[in-house]
Amino acid sequence: GAGVSQSPSNKVTEKGKDVELRCDPISGHTALYWYRQSLGQGLEFLIYFQGNSAPDKSGLPSDRFSAERTGGSVSTLTIQRTQQEDSAVYLCASSLSPGGIETQYFGPGTRLLVL
Amino acid sequence: QKEVEQDPGPLSVPEGAIVSLNCTYSNSAFQYFMWYRQYSRKGPELLMYTYSSGNKEDGRFTAQVDKSSKYISLFIRDSQPSDSATYLCATFTGGGNKLTFGTGTQLKVEL
Repeated sequence: GAGVSQSPSNKVTEKGKDVELRCDPISGHTALYWYRQSLGQGLEFLIYFQGNSAPDKSGLPSDRFSAERTGGSVSTLTIQRTQQEDSAVYLCASSLSPGGIETQYFGPGTRLLVL
Repeated sequence: QKEVEQDPGPLSVPEGAIVSLNCTYSNSAFQYFMWYRQYSRKGPELLMYTYSSGNKEDGRFTAQVDKSSKYISLFIRDSQPSDSATYLCATFTGGGNKLTFGTGTQLKVEL
């Protein structure tokens, strides 16, 4: 069926507000990844889910960032008290099973702008 | 210093040219090397990957890895305007799950 979908596609928010970004992975994919893409920084790994658990949260930049995954499917990335430096494209990817060699399929991303 | 370094470009070439895109990496534990293509306002898509050193060819694309010099290359033959995109190299150790990306090189193939 469909590929990885993300919503919203664009989000403009004011500094200090909380935002929620959603990722709907490919059906049947057990592994889900969040990355952040900033200008000049490339893609930075944020967090990885295997099923509903997150064995690797090493890329989350601060405790303002959190993520959860329910039902082994949809994931939500939450940024609390947004700062201007949080402005970036947030990309979600899923793969059939964990392990980078398994192709990660990316969604189109959510473009976040914090004013 | 970033673990994977990549010249951001932009790189502009005429249609039909051979394009060479390159990355260097610092972590000798990296074993898998990938190239992703990203069109404007889209997510990256995997072009090809190689394991350890050597070459891999897929149509007009050839990926090359030299582990002794920690150098990764992607060659595009007979480049087309549709190849205009950002190309990202990525690596991972083989035992983990997260990819480490370069910053991406923006390529424009002009008519």
